[in-house]
Amino acid sequence: SQQGEEDPQALSIQEGENATMNCSYKTSINNLQWYRQNSGRGLVHLILIRSNEREKHSGRLRVTLDTSKKSSSLLITASRAADTASYFCATDAITQGGSEKLVFGKGTKLTVNP
Amino acid sequence: DAGITQSPRHKVTETGTPVTLRCHQTENHRYMYWYRQDPGHGLRLIHYSYGVKDTDKGEVSDGYSVSRSKTEDFLLTLESATSSQTSVYFCAISEWPSGSYEQYFGPGTRLTVT
Repeated sequence: SQQGEEDPQALSIQEGENATMNCSYKTSINNLQWYRQNSGRGLVHLILIRSNEREKHSGRLRVTLDTSKKSSSLLITASRAADTASYFCATDAITQGGSEKLVFGKGTKLTVNP
Repeated sequence: DAGITQSPRHKVTETGTPVTLRCHQTENHRYMYWYRQDPGHGLRLIHYSYGVKDTDKGEVSDGYSVSRSKTEDFLLTLESATSSQTSVYFCAISEWPSGSYEQYFGPGTRLTVT
C-alpha cells in the first residue's frame, strides 16, 4: 500500500511562479526523498531529507519535513517550463531482514505554462 | 546518468505467453528493484534483490518471478502474461548500504498484453 500521498494530484502555474507540492505519510521514517519524472522517462532523484532535518535546499528546490505531522513539502521557486513533470515523494522502509526499499506516492503532475 | 539499461524498451505480447524483461547495470550496486507504474497507482514495487541470488517480494509480486545470477543483471519474468500486467516497468538500482539511499532508474519498458 502507498506510504506517501502527494497533494495536489495536479498543479498548473505560470512560468516564474512558485510551485508547492505536499506529501503525507503514515509511519515513522528514516528519510524522505523527492523524485521527478518527465513524460515517458524514468524517475530522477532530486533531494533527500533525513528525519532529523527540518529543511533542505538544492538550487531552486526547498524541502521541508515535519515528522510530528508526518508531512513534507517540496517548493520549486521561479518555475520554468522545463520543470513540467510529475513529482513523487518516497519514504524508506527497512524490512525485517534489514533490506532497504522505498515506498512511492502517486505523484503530483506539475504543468508550468510559458 | 547511472549506467542502467532495460530491454526490451517496448513489447507487445499475447495473453498466456511468457515474457522476460532484463535490467542491466554497470555500477556494481548491490540493490536492484523492479517496479510497475500504472495510472492512479504511482510506482509499486514488484520484487527486489539485495545480492546475487538474494531476492525478495514487494507489494505486487503475484504473477512475477525474478532472478539474479550476476551482480549486473536482474531479470523479471511473467510466466503467463495477463492483460492486468499491461504496464510500464522500471528497474532501479541503489548503492545502499555502502552509499546513499537514493535510487537510480532505468528508462522503462512499456509492456502491452493483448
